[in-house]
Amino acid sequence: ETGVTQSPTHLIKTRGQQVTLRCSSQSGHNTVSWYQQALGQGPQFIFQYYREEENGRGNFPPRFSGLQFPNYSSELNVNALELDDSALYLCASSLTSRRGDEQFFGPGTRLTVL
Amino acid sequence: DQQVKQNSPSLSVQEGRISILNCDYTNSMFDYFLWYKKYPAEGPTFLISISSIKDKNEDGRFTVFLNKSAKHLSLHIVPSQPGDSAVYFCAANTGTASKLTFGTGTRLQVTL
Repeated sequence: ETGVTQSPTHLIKTRGQQVTLRCSSQSGHNTVSWYQQALGQGPQFIFQYYREEENGRGNFPPRFSGLQFPNYSSELNVNALELDDSALYLCASSLTSRRGDEQFFGPGTRLTVL
Repeated sequence: DQQVKQNSPSLSVQEGRISILNCDYTNSMFDYFLWYKKYPAEGPTFLISISSIKDKNEDGRFTVFLNKSAKHLSLHIVPSQPGDSAVYFCAANTGTASKLTFGTGTRLQVTL
């Protein structure tokens, strides 16, 4: 059984650019959540997708958007990048969106904005 | 506003001794708490959880204690092993949603 994978591993962008990060969920999981972990901080919830629909959003501006595909893989898009967007972006998949279902995290994508 | 706080950024413990990691929360709506462990270059992995209807949950060497009146929980690891060296995150959620609110983490180092 393949775990949660994320691509790319590392990425360097400049201010104002746009970026797309990708996440493949664990087999059989229909829910993907995205988190941002800034240096020295804990992960912060960005949003969650359940069966291709957004199912909850954290305190992030609209330039953070996402998609979930029929195979339940997901993308996180960030427009108009700012320096403060530099962080580790984690995705987590779970069997369903219920809170009792364990969330399995990928290794993350390290984004640096210059 | 940090709703889940881990006030100790780091902790060093000798192998075989007890490790105690602490976590405080401010949101009284939180009713489910989790601990995650994170190694470098890996995503966090689930360790143990506790519902607010309990005050203790045990799984092998790991025990989580919850003190609702103090809005405080702790993770005990006994005995500590070198492989336990990692960053530990406390997390909480509320209601039926699976959104997690994390603390800032505590780096545990278990020395020989």
